[in-house]
Amino acid sequence: GESVGLHLPTLSVQEGDNSIINCAYSNSASDYFIWYKQESGKGPQFIIDIRSNMDKRQGQRVTVLLNKTVKHLSLQIAATQPGDSAVYFCAEGGQDYKLSFGAGTTVTVRA
Amino acid sequence: DAGVIQSPRHEVTEMGQEVTLRCKPISGHDYLFWYRQTMMRGLELLIYFNNNVPIDDSGMPEDRFSAKMPNASFSTLKIQPSEPRDSAVYFCASRWGSAYNEQFFGPGTRLTVL
Repeated sequence: GESVGLHLPTLSVQEGDNSIINCAYSNSASDYFIWYKQESGKGPQFIIDIRSNMDKRQGQRVTVLLNKTVKHLSLQIAATQPGDSAVYFCAEGGQDYKLSFGAGTTVTVRA
Repeated sequence: DAGVIQSPRHEVTEMGQEVTLRCKPISGHDYLFWYRQTMMRGLELLIYFNNNVPIDDSGMPEDRFSAKMPNASFSTLKIQPSEPRDSAVYFCASRWGSAYNEQFFGPGTRLTVL
């Protein structure tokens, strides 16, 4: 079946550098994409979302890029900080109100 | 706002016992979701409610699982009888209105079935 998947399971980044987390999706009917951050022992926390009629959206230190042609989603974190260490999930959704989550990428920030 | 509240935070039980997980959504939210998270399968949607009515339970693994939402401020997920393979973290999430609005997750209940 169609599913959301992540390219890399882990990412190690030096504090202060930029991070890029990638995600591939296969459901062409999805029109809503979200990035969540999950810290150890906590529930997923919303970071940023993007609708399919956009290809870029920026938030505070984060940017999400959507390439519908190749069904690819990425999250860029600027000036990565120790507090950014977590598991990051992409999720896709649509008008049926259901979200499908990817496997997650563990980001570790080196001091 | 206290956010989504789940109880208990941790549950350890023996195989065959009944387990009840509880959730209080954010006040005013009309959608409630139950998810299960495991290392093998990631985050899976089990069931969701709209205005206290179950809309889609296609993710419920089998008849041992049941969920109810008797009112807008309370939902339960019950497993009877529990099995070791049910061990996971169970999350409740809530949202208001549009499918494109943010889902807010609770802290989860870590269930261990021995």
